[in-house]
Amino acid sequence: GENVEQHPSTLSVQEGDSAVIKCTYSDSASNYFPWYKQELGKRPQLIIDIRSNVGEKKDQRIAVTLNKTAKHFSLHITETQPEDSAVYFCAASREDMRFGAGTRLTVKP
Amino acid sequence: DADVTQTPRNRITKTGKRIMLECSQTKGHDRMYWYRQDPGLGLQLIYYSFDVKDINKGEISDGYSVSRQAQAKFSLSLESAIPNQTALYFCATSDPWYEDTQYFGPGTRLTVL
Repeated sequence: GENVEQHPSTLSVQEGDSAVIKCTYSDSASNYFPWYKQELGKRPQLIIDIRSNVGEKKDQRIAVTLNKTAKHFSLHITETQPEDSAVYFCAASREDMRFGAGTRLTVKP
Repeated sequence: DADVTQTPRNRITKTGKRIMLECSQTKGHDRMYWYRQDPGLGLQLIYYSFDVKDINKGEISDGYSVSRQAQAKFSLSLESAIPNQTALYFCATSDPWYEDTQYFGPGTRLTVL
């Protein structure tokens, strides 16, 4: 089955800096790659996603890139703000979705 | 997202007890999922269902069973709970014909003593 690895497990940045989280996947048939944000005590919420026929997608301060050949995808957050502090999960899906272990992002004011 | 609800929200039980967690959705989605979340391990898929007659095992189905009573309802059972099943459980739904985005319920925190 699909295996998703996510790095780093923790990330601390200064407010205004950029943050990058990287994931790799094993199943070349996976075709959908969402990113979720989970605040403490709350449910995961989708923040951005990308499909296998697209190489990059951007939504305001958030962007995702996908390299199908290398089987990796990344989340980029620019101009980070304290409210970006949360745990971020990547996932890869063909039929069932497999999640990475998560990255705890802390944005210091 | 109030369209996906889970009951109970919190439950404390003892080893060996049978427990049922329930999930209901008003989104009209065919696909429903059960996940378990442990600290540092992300979300692990327990079972998923693509429609009422289709049930599939996920990564960690041992010790769990499910029932899809209707399009809108998907229940997770622990036949004989054990302490290492203490975790946060999430239900999710998706519509593959539209977005394939998974929408999560609020979660059920289960503690097995």
